[in-house]
Amino acid sequence: AQRVTQPEKLLSVFKGAPVELKCNYSYSGSPELFWYVQYSRQRLQLLLRHISRESIKGFTADLNKGETSFHLKKPFAQEEDSAMYYCALSGQGGGSNYKLTFGKGTLLTVNP
Amino acid sequence: DAMVIQNPRYQVTQFGKPVTLSCSQTLNHNVMYWYQQKSSQAPKLLFHYYDKDFNNEADTPDNFQSRRPNTSFCFLDIRSPGLGDAAMYLCATSRVGGWTEAFFGQGTRLTVV
Repeated sequence: AQRVTQPEKLLSVFKGAPVELKCNYSYSGSPELFWYVQYSRQRLQLLLRHISRESIKGFTADLNKGETSFHLKKPFAQEEDSAMYYCALSGQGGGSNYKLTFGKGTLLTVNP
Repeated sequence: DAMVIQNPRYQVTQFGKPVTLSCSQTLNHNVMYWYQQKSSQAPKLLFHYYDKDFNNEADTPDNFQSRRPNTSFCFLDIRSPGLGDAAMYLCATSRVGGWTEAFFGQGTRLTVV
């Protein structure tokens, strides 16, 4: 079974401070991990995925298979980063492993 | 150039009156999902189609049904909406067969009165 855990429901930081949104997962095979973001009144959209190893809007995330984690980090938070962030997982293999499963989300607030 | 389109954006229905939400895609993706998202909560997967194969989540109430007449369209039918079904309903698509992302529609906000 696929499971994604985001332990923090709310996270508040000041502008310019580092931010880390935590994500842990449970999956027996080879997962693909994503971070999705939902800005106020906008559709859910992909922020980044582990396989791309890219940095989007200054955010990075490293897949740590030993710790089964995929934490999202940014060294200097900006006010426009305030949004709801969801960690998500999909897998390979038979059955419905490919389906996308979301964590409960973390609401990030960046204060001026 | 929206790729996943949901109609309507807002839907008001009466308690117990059947309602249908629609989703269309221009991506030719083989997987289409329906999620329910209540206020301040994560999207909850209701069911999804892989091509014509329907996959229901174990905890999705029987009140919720879905149809996918062709690759481009998918419908969510709520047979007898209750007050607890008021939520944002999200449609998403993805392509299986490669590492890829899911694309979401804007959602349909359902109000039950």
